[in-house]
Amino acid sequence: DAGITQSPRYKITETGRQVTLMCHQTWSHSYMFWYRQDLGHGLRLIYYSAAADITDKGEVPDGYVVSRSKTENFPLTLESATRSQTSVYFCASRELYEQYFGPGTRLTVT
Amino acid sequence: DQQVKQNSPSLSVQEGRISILNCDYTNSMFDYFLWYKKYPAEGPTFLISISSIKDKNEDGRFTVFLNKSAKHLSLHIVPSQPGDSAVYFCAASAQGGGADGLTFGKGTHLIIQP
Repeated sequence: DAGITQSPRYKITETGRQVTLMCHQTWSHSYMFWYRQDLGHGLRLIYYSAAADITDKGEVPDGYVVSRSKTENFPLTLESATRSQTSVYFCASRELYEQYFGPGTRLTVT
Repeated sequence: DQQVKQNSPSLSVQEGRISILNCDYTNSMFDYFLWYKKYPAEGPTFLISISSIKDKNEDGRFTVFLNKSAKHLSLHIVPSQPGDSAVYFCAASAQGGGADGLTFGKGTHLIIQP
């Protein structure tokens, strides 16, 4: 089915570990985004990408790394996870003016 | 400094009545506004949007109003249905297409009571 998928849906990791969250879209949208959702903050932009090999920082990029070697994939890596990165992470892609979101990954850092 | 504000964390409305969700913004560069609906354990889903050149946009039971001078927008849902119970996020972009991402409010939890 066409759409945007995220994996894993749930992840528990330990402080200091590296973890990668995957995002895949089948629409061939140029723009893709990573957001995190925390209580009391709504959704905040981590990184975004305008096309393959073009990425840029959002509002809260510290501690995260992204890559985009293919248009359809936009993985987000936490190089050394911290407890403050416990959150729900949403990937999105953009068509015209609207962004379409994946189902999210709930990440817990212990 | 929050650029998009939803001052009501929750709102309870009776089924069949009108639900009005409010949103204020501070950034004069915002030129496109969107509303998203979110159910638990799901991603936000796009609901309706409005460009700054308009003051109203309607889609079925959903209408968004924009008051640029007051930097205020509202989402009206008429009539409210049980399936409308969700968290609603107001979002804004400053480049017409949100090429550099959207700025979200904190959300309003709408509860439709039977």
